[in-house]
Amino acid sequence: GESVGLHLPTLSVQEGDNSIINCAYSNSASDYFIWYKQESGKGPQFIIDIRSNMDKRQGQRVTVLLNKTVKHLSLQIAATQPGDSAVYFCAERDEAGGSYIPTFGRGTSLIVHP
Amino acid sequence: KAGVTQTPRYLIKTRGQQVTLSCSPISGHRSVSWYQQTPGQGLQFLFEYFSETQRNKGNFPGRFSGRQFSNSRSEMNVSTLELGDSALYLCASSLGLAVTYEQYFGPGTRLTVT
Repeated sequence: GESVGLHLPTLSVQEGDNSIINCAYSNSASDYFIWYKQESGKGPQFIIDIRSNMDKRQGQRVTVLLNKTVKHLSLQIAATQPGDSAVYFCAERDEAGGSYIPTFGRGTSLIVHP
Repeated sequence: KAGVTQTPRYLIKTRGQQVTLSCSPISGHRSVSWYQQTPGQGLQFLFEYFSETQRNKGNFPGRFSGRQFSNSRSEMNVSTLELGDSALYLCASSLGLAVTYEQYFGPGTRLTVT
């Protein structure tokens, strides 16, 4: 499959554990954030998004937390499964500023051991 | 419903040549965006096409161009290839402009420039 990145930060967890993946974003004006999952050989897949007027949003087994004070975003995956093994990265946009152009983080490689 | 398809999946070109990559969006999707993914720079936005018009453009040189056809299929072209253009090129489609609608990514075209 395709290698999406070399020397990415890696998080190794055991199946069933909860995983927390972090992302520091750069633009304090960013008001929309997305988490993506990219499996080997595939394109990124949307997981969950959050707008800057919220600090927490929950999906199925995933929770995104936003701390605007320190420009930090985290993705929490509950009861991690081997199928969750992938590269995860965040994206930010400054929509109120009129720019669609997204900026992507480098990503974190999540390895789930059965 | 078929996903986003990209052709070719792998391509090897020589420095100085040009290349054309193709993307077929999900049926009914009218917007196609292109991204470049490299280990060093991560995922970077190239441009977005909607209704055959370029709507957004990232910070790439003029050697990178694209177009969209009336059936929403899109091509991107890179002229005068450089070694640094080696990357995974991803295309994503959405119902409307990506600022409003969720994007669905294709598997990418791996371009190697020698």
